[in-house]
Amino acid sequence: GENVEQHPSTLSVQEGDSAVIKCTYSDSASNYFPWYKQELGKRPQLIIDIRSNVGEKKDQRIAVTLNKTAKHFSLHITETQPEDSAVYFCAASITGTASKLTFGTGTRLQVTL
Amino acid sequence: GAVVSQHPSWVICKSGTSVKIECRSLDFQATTMFWYRQFPKQSLMLMATSNEGSKATYEQGVEKDKFLINHASLTLSTLTVTSAHPEDSSFYICSASISGVHSQHEQFFGPGTRLTVL
Repeated sequence: GENVEQHPSTLSVQEGDSAVIKCTYSDSASNYFPWYKQELGKRPQLIIDIRSNVGEKKDQRIAVTLNKTAKHFSLHITETQPEDSAVYFCAASITGTASKLTFGTGTRLQVTL
Repeated sequence: GAVVSQHPSWVICKSGTSVKIECRSLDFQATTMFWYRQFPKQSLMLMATSNEGSKATYEQGVEKDKFLINHASLTLSTLTVTSAHPEDSSFYICSASISGVHSQHEQFFGPGTRLTVL
């Protein structure tokens, strides 16, 4: 089955700096890659996603890049703010009837003042 | 739109009892619902995939007789933890996906249920 690795496990940046989180996946058939932000005790919230027919996608301060050949994708957050502090999860899935997600291990991002 | 609710939001029970958790899609029909378990400071681990009107598909290592899943309608799935033990204490989260070609990718997550077994 699919295996998703995520690095780093923790990341501390100063407010205004950029943060980058990287994930690799094992199944070359995976074609959908969402990123989730989860605050303590809350549900995961989709912040951005990318499909395998696209190499990069941007939404304001958040961007995701995908390298299908290397089977890795990254989340980039620019101009970080304290409210960006949370745990971020990448995931991968093969779209279809089931579309089940395999999650990475998570990155705890702390944005300091 | 695409709101998923869960009930209860938290539950405390005694060891050996059973607990039922409901997951509802409030404003859409969910062809497929997923149940995840998340231990403290860990990732979400898929337990099972449930399709309306058919038996759930369990992930390897998940006991189907212990975690009973019923997906009776396109808006409701239930997870029953039978004979719960302290090691079952966790955050249980459901998600639902919308049927349809263009929207089949995204899963919408419920708020989660924190189960504590004493």
